[in-house]
Amino acid sequence: EAQVTQNPRYLITVTGKKLTVTCSQNMNHEYMSWYRQDPGLGLRQIYYSMNVEVTDKGDVPEGYKVSRKEKRNFPLILESPSPNQTSLYFCASSIFPPGTGLTSTGELFFGEGSRLTVL
Amino acid sequence: DQQVKQNSPSLSVQEGRISILNCDYTNSMFDYFLWYKKYPAEGPTFLISISSIKDKNEDGRFTVFLNKSAKHLSLHIVPSQPGDSAVYFCAASANNFNKFYFGSGTKLNVKP
Repeated sequence: EAQVTQNPRYLITVTGKKLTVTCSQNMNHEYMSWYRQDPGLGLRQIYYSMNVEVTDKGDVPEGYKVSRKEKRNFPLILESPSPNQTSLYFCASSIFPPGTGLTSTGELFFGEGSRLTVL
Repeated sequence: DQQVKQNSPSLSVQEGRISILNCDYTNSMFDYFLWYKKYPAEGPTFLISISSIKDKNEDGRFTVFLNKSAKHLSLHIVPSQPGDSAVYFCAASANNFNKFYFGSGTKLNVKP
C-alpha cells in the first residue's frame, strides 16, 4: 500500500529534550516536505527536500532541522524543543515538486500526522 | 502574511444541498490550485485541482471554479453528504515555487 508513515503519532516532551519525528514514504517520491498545522494558520511549510541530500527552508524553519540521506526517509529534528513548537506535524511527499501542475497533478501525499506537545 | 486565505472558518449545510467553500489568493504568480480534505486524526488527502488555463474543473460531485481576475477560487459540492463533513484546505503554487501555500481551512458540517 502506498503511504507516508510518521512516528511517533503522539508525543509529550519537555523543553530542551531533543527529539526526532521520522517520516518514510514507499512511493519512490523525489519531493518531501514537513508542515505544521496550527489553529487559524493552516498548514505552514517547515522544510522541504527536492531529492537526496537537497533540502531547503520553508516558511517556518526556526528551531527545526532535517536530513535526506535516503530517498524514502525525511526525519524532522527538534534539537531543543520549546513550547511554541507544540503543534500537529505532517510529513508529505510527491512525485514532482509542487509547481508543475501543467504537466502533472503534483498533489501531495500526507502522513497521518504527529501531535507534539512541549511542556 | 498569508498568500492564500480562507475567510470562513466553518460552514454548515443540510444534506442534499450545495456546499460552497471559498478561497482567495494574493500572489498573481500562482497558476496551480488544489483542494485537500482532512478528517480528524488523519492527514489531508487530495480532492481536486485546477490549473490557471482553465476556469472550471469537475470531478463527480466536486467542482472547482477559478476566477483569475478576482484571485478567487471556490469548491462546490453537490449534493452534500454527511461523509463530506471535514476540514477543507485550498492550496496554491506556481512553476519553480517548489512549495504549496495553504489556506487556514474551512470546517464543513453536513447535517443529515
